[in-house]
Amino acid sequence: IAGITQAPTSQILAAGRRMTLRCTQDMRHNAMYWYRQDLGLGLRLIHYSNTAGTTGKGEVPDGYSVSRANTDDFPLTLASAVPSQTSVYFCASSRSENTEAFFGQGTRLTVV
Amino acid sequence: EDQVTQSPEALRLQEGESSSLNCSYTVSGLRGLFWYRQDPGKGPEFLFTLYSAGEEKEKERLKATLTKKESFLHITAPKPEDSATYLCAVQVGAGGTSYGKLTFGQGTILTVHP
Repeated sequence: IAGITQAPTSQILAAGRRMTLRCTQDMRHNAMYWYRQDLGLGLRLIHYSNTAGTTGKGEVPDGYSVSRANTDDFPLTLASAVPSQTSVYFCASSRSENTEAFFGQGTRLTVV
Repeated sequence: EDQVTQSPEALRLQEGESSSLNCSYTVSGLRGLFWYRQDPGKGPEFLFTLYSAGEEKEKERLKATLTKKESFLHITAPKPEDSATYLCAVQVGAGGTSYGKLTFGQGTILTVHP
């Protein structure tokens, strides 16, 4: 089934550790996004990529980095995790930057 | 600053009791307004895109409408399986720097009782 695959589905991480959240899409979408969802704050954009080889900062980029080496993959890295990064992370993709985005199932991350 | 406000925060309906969810927005240069449905523990599922005032979209028991300041998601004769959180999001144009950023509202939690 075509769509977006995120891994892991959940993770408990010690503060200070490095972690990469994986995201793969098989829809050949040009644009990809990382959002975090927190109670009371809704979904907020962390980083985006309009096409392979390019990335940009969203609303809450501090402490996160991304890369887009090819069309399908868009990993999100936390260089040194902190408790405030405890959240549910959603990867999304869209055919172009102006069309609807489709979301993965999310990664629930707890930093302790 | 772009703002999206959804109301009510929560809505409880009896099966068959029609109602509407509201999404008010304050943005400059609206490119599109999106409605999503989110079930617990899952990612948002795309429902509709509306691009201009007066536009309407329908899917089964759902109908989305758009004015210059707000959008409504009308639910006709809802069923328990319509229970979910409904999110609206706006996308603004920023000339050459637009990157498809969606600004989401907080969502409306809909519960439909049998």
